[in-house]
Amino acid sequence: QSVLTQPPSVSGAPGQRVTISCTGSSSKIGAPYDIHWYQQLPGRAPKLLIYGNNNRPSGVPDRFSNSKSGTSASLAISGLQAEDEADYYCQTYDNSLRGWLFGGGTKLTVL
Amino acid sequence: QITLKESGPTLVKPTQTLTLTCTFSGFSLSTSGVGVGWIRQPPGKALEWVALIYYNDDKRYSPSLKSRLIITKDTSKNQVVLTMTNMDPVDTATYYCAHSTWTPGGDYFDYWGQGTPVTVSS
Repeated sequence: QSVLTQPPSVSGAPGQRVTISCTGSSSKIGAPYDIHWYQQLPGRAPKLLIYGNNNRPSGVPDRFSNSKSGTSASLAISGLQAEDEADYYCQTYDNSLRGWLFGGGTKLTVL
Repeated sequence: QITLKESGPTLVKPTQTLTLTCTFSGFSLSTSGVGVGWIRQPPGKALEWVALIYYNDDKRYSPSLKSRLIITKDTSKNQVVLTMTNMDPVDTATYYCAHSTWTPGGDYFDYWGQGTPVTVSS
């Protein structure tokens, strides 16, 4: 069974750029499946942030972007703002599981 | 506008059966590619996928919970029901239902309910 590993926490000052990694236990993360990203504000339900190849739902600013390379994927947030302080989760489909995996989550603190 | 709302008991005793209902609007669960999933989150912990049902009644269960779960849909009522037997305190969590969209790259959960907290305690 695959596991998606994220750093427990990251931080950055307003205006800075931060990245959050999502590393898969298999040789290629999620392959051939995409990695999707969710934002969970404190006390709120998760919200889809990015799906597939850098697709953003309506209303999500282009400050958020993703990339995927080999055994890991990354969420990048540029021009950090106070309202970005939240938990972020990666997610993929696992064919061997015939189900869905979430990463362990990363808490972003805006300093 | 797609909305989902979870309902069910907030407190169940160990060994009891939990029944949660997801009532949705703004989409049909008979539309190709659409699913409704359940995802849970223990207090202070990460999201965990639990179960999902597709428009064609294909049902998927988390392997670790499969023996305890049943997911059904009532398309006419726009509802999905999750039943989990033999509840244990470790099942204490907020339970979310979410609309899923299938793509060749794998489904994603694009609309979420507000979540319903469930505590398992005697």
